[in-house]
Amino acid sequence: GESVGLHLPTLSVQEGDNSIINCAYSNSASDYFIWYKQESGKGPQFIIDIRSNMDKRQGQRVTVLLNKTVKHLSLQIAATQPGDSAVYFCADSPQGGFKTIFGAGTRLFVKA
Amino acid sequence: GAGVSQSPRYKVAKRGQDVALRCDPISGHVSLFWYQQALGQGPEFLTYFQNEAQLDKSGLPSDRFFAERPEGSVSTLKIQRTQQEDSAVYLCASSPAGGSAPLFFGSGTQLSVL
Repeated sequence: GESVGLHLPTLSVQEGDNSIINCAYSNSASDYFIWYKQESGKGPQFIIDIRSNMDKRQGQRVTVLLNKTVKHLSLQIAATQPGDSAVYFCADSPQGGFKTIFGAGTRLFVKA
Repeated sequence: GAGVSQSPRYKVAKRGQDVALRCDPISGHVSLFWYQQALGQGPEFLTYFQNEAQLDKSGLPSDRFFAERPEGSVSTLKIQRTQQEDSAVYLCASSPAGGSAPLFFGSGTQLSVL
């Protein structure tokens, strides 16, 4: 069945360092991948997405890398700030589908 | 409104009570989703609407759960005869597209069943 999972449940980084959050997915038919950020008491917020015909996409301070060979997705946050502290979810939407499947999440702690 | 609005923000129900959770999606968004999020977990898909049509309800845990979107805008998730295991945050999301697009989430309704 479909599953999207994360390697680490928590990640602690120093303010100003770069953060890397990893994710594995199992459905080889997936063609759309999204990273969401969820702060306490709020719903998930879209950060960045990537389609399966790409292997890298950059946004403001964030980069998503997709390795289809090993079914691996990562989110890189440059110059991590205290405001980046949150739970990060990778999510996957199968080709031609609409159902977005979420992983369990990684909690990012930023130390000042 | 500027975003997806959900009400109530918090709901406490006694076991066996019926509850109704409301979602106002972003105006013009075709797609509407309901997710259930248990503490410390990722959101779990419940159901999906495209306009007023409920295209997928495969994630609804039991026949006690019912969702509707009669006019293709506001949606209601109803849970009948609530059980303790129904305690969770219920998230609503909307999207302008039918698939492969970012979802815009509301802040959720936190349901506690005592």
